[in-house]
Amino acid sequence: DGGITQSPKYLFRKEGQNVTLSCEQNLNHDAMYWYRQDPGQGLRLIYYSQIVNDFQKGDIAEGYSVSREKKESFPLTVTSAQKNPTAFYLCASSRPSGTVDGRPQHFGDGTRLSIL
Amino acid sequence: EDKVVQSPLSLVVHEGDTVTLNCSYEVTNFRSLLWYKQEKKAPTFLFMLTSSGIEKKSGRLSSILDKKELFSILNITATQTGDSAVYLCAVGPLMGSSNTGKLIFGQGTTLQVKP
Repeated sequence: DGGITQSPKYLFRKEGQNVTLSCEQNLNHDAMYWYRQDPGQGLRLIYYSQIVNDFQKGDIAEGYSVSREKKESFPLTVTSAQKNPTAFYLCASSRPSGTVDGRPQHFGDGTRLSIL
Repeated sequence: EDKVVQSPLSLVVHEGDTVTLNCSYEVTNFRSLLWYKQEKKAPTFLFMLTSSGIEKKSGRLSSILDKKELFSILNITATQTGDSAVYLCAVGPLMGSSNTGKLIFGQGTTLQVKP
C-alpha cells in the first residue's frame, strides 16, 4: 500500500545534539512538507519542497534544515540552534496541481521529539 | 498576515448529539479549504471545499463553505465515541500564478464524545 513512513516514532535528544527525522513516501508525490505541532496548537509549516533538489522555508524554519535529494525522501534535521525542539513533527506529501483545486496533503504518523 | 481561526477550541458532548465546528479565515488569494480529523497520529483527510454554498457529505459528516463571509462549518450528526478527535481546518492560498500546495492550519477543535 502506498503511504508516508516517518521514523522513528519517538526520539530523545540531548541538548546540543543535532537529530534527523526521516520521511519517506511511495505515493509518487512531487511535493513534501514538514510541520511542527505543539499541544493545543495547529500545525505550523517548517519547510516544504515542490520538486527534487529544491525547497523553501516555511513559517518557523529557524533551527531546522532539510534536503531533497530524492523524490521519495525529505529528511528534517533539528539542529542545536532550535531552542525548544520538543514537539510532534508531521511530514506530508501531495501532488501539486496546475488547477485551482490543488490536492489534499497526506500525512505520516509523526515523530515525537523530546529533550533529555 | 494570513490566518485561520477555529472555534470552539474544545467541546464535550454526549453520544447522539449534533455538533457544529467553525473555521474562519483571512487568506490572500484563497484556493481551497480542507478539513482533517486527527486521532493522536496522522491527520486524515475529510473534505476539500473550493466553491461557496455546495455542501459536501460523507456519512454523518458534512461541510459547507461561505467565501463571502470567509468561513466554513463542519457538522457531525448522531455523534459516536469514535468521533472523538482533534478536527483541523486548513486553507490553501494561491501564491501568484503557482499552486505551491502550502496550507495554513487553524489551532484545531478537540471534540470529546462521551457515552
